Amino acid sequence: AQSVTQLDSQVPVFEEAPVELRCNYSSSVSVYLFWYVQYPNQGLQLLLKYLSGSTLVKGINGFEAEFNKSQTSFHLRKPSVHISDTAEYFCAVSTSYGKLTFGQGTILTVHP
Amino acid sequence: GAGVSQSPRYKVAKRGQDVALRCDPISGHVSLFWYQQALGQGPEFLTYFQNEAQLDKSGLPSDRFFAERPEGSVSTLKIQRTQQEDSAVYLCASSLVFEPPPTQYFGPGTRLLVL
Repeated sequence: AQSVTQLDSQVPVFEEAPVELRCNYSSSVSVYLFWYVQYPNQGLQLLLKYLSGSTLVKGINGFEAEFNKSQTSFHLRKPSVHISDTAEYFCAVSTSYGKLTFGQGTILTVHP
Repeated sequence: GAGVSQSPRYKVAKRGQDVALRCDPISGHVSLFWYQQALGQGPEFLTYFQNEAQLDKSGLPSDRFFAERPEGSVSTLKIQRTQQEDSAVYLCASSLVFEPPPTQYFGPGTRLLVL
C-alpha cells in the first residue's frame, strides 16, 4: 500500500522569501514521486517528478525537490517565491502504471 | 495542442438523480484515470482504463458509480441515485504508457453539487 503525508496544510510566506513544503511517503514497492500544483478552478499541473537517478529534481517555475530515501521524504523548495505561486500543492506517489495516491495538499499563500 | 477536456464543468443535481460526466483525453493517450476530489482534500483514485479495458476499479466507492470507455477514447463516469456525499470535483487524467510511470495530464474537472 502507498500513502502520502503533507505535513503542513497551510504555509503563509512573504514575497521573495524561500519556502519549503514538506512531504513524507510510504511505499512497499518502487518509489515514483510527483509534485502537482492546482490553481483555483483549474486542473492539476505537473511541477516535477522523481523516477530514479539524481535525488535533486528540478521542475518548472523555479521549484526543486529532493528525494531522501532514508527519511522517506520528498520536500519541495523554492528559493524566492512570487505572488503568482499562490496555489495549492499536492505531493503524490505513483504505481508503475500511473495510479496516483495524493497527500491532503498544502495551500501556499504568498503575501506582498 | 488540445489538452484533456471535461464536460460539464459544473453540475447541480437533486439527490436521487443520475448524472453522467464526460472526459475527452488527449488524442493518442492510451491510459485514462478518474479521481474524486472532495472539498479540502487531495484527489482520490476511482478507476483506470487502458484503451477500452477497465483494469482497476478498486476506488469506486459504491455500485452506484460506473465508468466506461467503449471505444478507447472518450470516457463517461456515471453516478446513479446521487447522494449528498457524492458532491466533489471529478478529475480525469490521461497518459501514454511508454514510460513507467507515465506522466498524467489532468483536465479542469467537473464540479458536482448534490442538493
